[in-house]
Amino acid sequence: KAGVTQTPRYLIKTRGQQVTLSCSPISGHRSVSWYQQTPGQGLQFLFEYFSETQRNKGNFPGRFSGRQFSNSRSEMNVSTLELGDSALYLCASSTAGVPGANVLTFGAGSRLTVL
Amino acid sequence: GENVEQHPSTLSVQEGDSAVIKCTYSDSASNYFPWYKQELGKGPQLIIDIRSNVGEKKDQRIAVTLNKTAKHFSLHITETQPEDSAVYFCAATTVTSGTYKYIFGTGTRLKVLA
Repeated sequence: KAGVTQTPRYLIKTRGQQVTLSCSPISGHRSVSWYQQTPGQGLQFLFEYFSETQRNKGNFPGRFSGRQFSNSRSEMNVSTLELGDSALYLCASSTAGVPGANVLTFGAGSRLTVL
Repeated sequence: GENVEQHPSTLSVQEGDSAVIKCTYSDSASNYFPWYKQELGKGPQLIIDIRSNVGEKKDQRIAVTLNKTAKHFSLHITETQPEDSAVYFCAATTVTSGTYKYIFGTGTRLKVLA
């Protein structure tokens, strides 16, 4: 059974550019969540999608957006990149059965460096 | 807002010793507490979890305890091995606007010295 696949694994951008990251969840998983991981800050929740609808959103500026497609694949976009956006972006999928009790399966992440 | 505090941020133990990582959460409605292990270059992976109606859970060398009254939970690793070296994250789920989200601690870097 394939795991959660994130692409690209590494990318370098310059300030002001935008970036799109992709996440393919485990087959049958309908919930996809995105997290930003930076040293000392742990995992900060960005948003969660379920059946193409954003169900929950963290405290990030509007430059961070996402979407989910009918096959549950998800993308997140960051516009007008800032140096502080350099981080590891993690995607996690789950079955989203009983609320609050779902195991998250993470991908390996996309490491974004903003110069 | 909701938060999860995790201590210590780094922990070094000798191989064979025990390691304990502690987390405190703020939302009394939190009801699910997973622990994740992140190895270098990989995403976090669930190693054990506990629900609010249980006080303790064990899985071989790993155990988690939960004190709902004090709103804290701990990860215990016994007989540590070099392969236990990784970053460990605790998390608590909170319910917001009819759905849920995970709040993660800031992580503990565990080093097991051979």
